Amino acid sequence: DAGITQSPRYKITETGRQVTLMCHQTWSHSYMFWYRQDLGHGLRLIYYSAAADITDKGEVPDGYVVSRSKTENFPLTLESATRSQTSVYFCASSDIIGGGASETQYFGPGTRLLVL
Amino acid sequence: SQKIEQNSEALNIQEGKTATLTCNYTNYSPAYLQWYRQDPGRGPVFLLLIRENEKEKRKERLKVTFDTTLKQSLFHITASQPADSATYLCALETSGTYKYIFGTGTRLKVLA
Repeated sequence: DAGITQSPRYKITETGRQVTLMCHQTWSHSYMFWYRQDLGHGLRLIYYSAAADITDKGEVPDGYVVSRSKTENFPLTLESATRSQTSVYFCASSDIIGGGASETQYFGPGTRLLVL
Repeated sequence: SQKIEQNSEALNIQEGKTATLTCNYTNYSPAYLQWYRQDPGRGPVFLLLIRENEKEKRKERLKVTFDTTLKQSLFHITASQPADSATYLCALETSGTYKYIFGTGTRLKVLA
């Protein structure tokens, strides 16, 4: 099916383990984003990517690693999970239109991560 | 520091009335402002975008205003319905960055 998908949808892990969250989009959008959503903080940008092999930090990048070898995939890795990384993670994609601004972001369904 | 504020308290209104949600920001110069809807357990869904040189934008029962002097956007839902109950998020894209900063959202409940 076309769209943006995330996997897994739910994940429980332990402190110190490495976890990778997957994101896949079928639109060939240039931009992809990773956010985390926590009560009281709203959506906060972790990393984003303007194209394959181009990534940059967002507001809260510490403890996370991203890669983008293909346009359609943008995995997020927690190298050594901590309890503070318990959150809901959303992936999004967008394209650049007209005068150079992205018109909208399309969000995936989210991954609920619990770090014990 | 840069800040976006949305009313964190839930807004309850009667069906058929107009709901008005507020998004205030400081220390930004947003080129674009967007509004999203988020239902429990789901990702945000784009509703409307308004540019800094636009005062107002409409889509069906939705209307967004953007006042760069007041640093405020208002989001209106006319003839509200219980199905409009959700959390509404505003997001700002600062010029040339393609990055979005989101507010914490306002929960709207439309009572039948």
